[in-house]
Amino acid sequence: DSGVTQTPKHLITATGQRVTLRCSPRSGDLSVYWYQQSLDQGLQFLIQYYNGEERAKGNILERFSAQQFPDLHSELNLSSLELGDSALYFCASSVVQGEQFFGPGTRLTVL
Amino acid sequence: GNSVTQMEGPVTLSEEAFLTINCTYTATGYPSLFWYVQYPGEGLQLLLKATKADDKGSNKGFEATYRKETTSFHLEKGSVQVSDSAVYFCALTGASGGSYIPTFGRGTSLIVHP
Repeated sequence: DSGVTQTPKHLITATGQRVTLRCSPRSGDLSVYWYQQSLDQGLQFLIQYYNGEERAKGNILERFSAQQFPDLHSELNLSSLELGDSALYFCASSVVQGEQFFGPGTRLTVL
Repeated sequence: GNSVTQMEGPVTLSEEAFLTINCTYTATGYPSLFWYVQYPGEGLQLLLKATKADDKGSNKGFEATYRKETTSFHLEKGSVQVSDSAVYFCALTGASGGSYIPTFGRGTSLIVHP
């Protein structure tokens, strides 16, 4: 158990809809990272937050947004969903530069 | 930008065989290097790391040495077990625009047969 929790575990929705994925980092970790894992693209870094502020952006689409709240949990919002957004979404947290602890992931299926 | 290239899988071995998974990287400055492992249905777990040239990371019988001259961080294990079957990701964290951005390879699937 990494200490990082993600909800929900599975999510099935339709094209055009909006969903919110939630992540709670390990106790004491200030950084939260979001990743998308798909068969054709591998593991893609989306965005990083540090203590409530956006710190770095990766390959995140404009339809996607994230935030980190004062209690350090984070949410990833995906809107106008397309079939190609179906993937595993992972959250990771860290306190030491670069060493990350991953949650179990949310499997999103867009029908 | 930073990049990580690792050998394509799947790698299929018999139990007790020697394992090598190649990983090379491109990065500016002095990145930290990592190997993560992902078991079926789970998130990634840190397997080992190295933060400077010539460092050797090791854990659970796995080893990798940070080779700056060849920009490589190959993963090795002397005798694999069926329980080592998983996907292995090579990764680096390097400076980019004032932050440290993680870059992952595409992963290499390892299948170990009894």
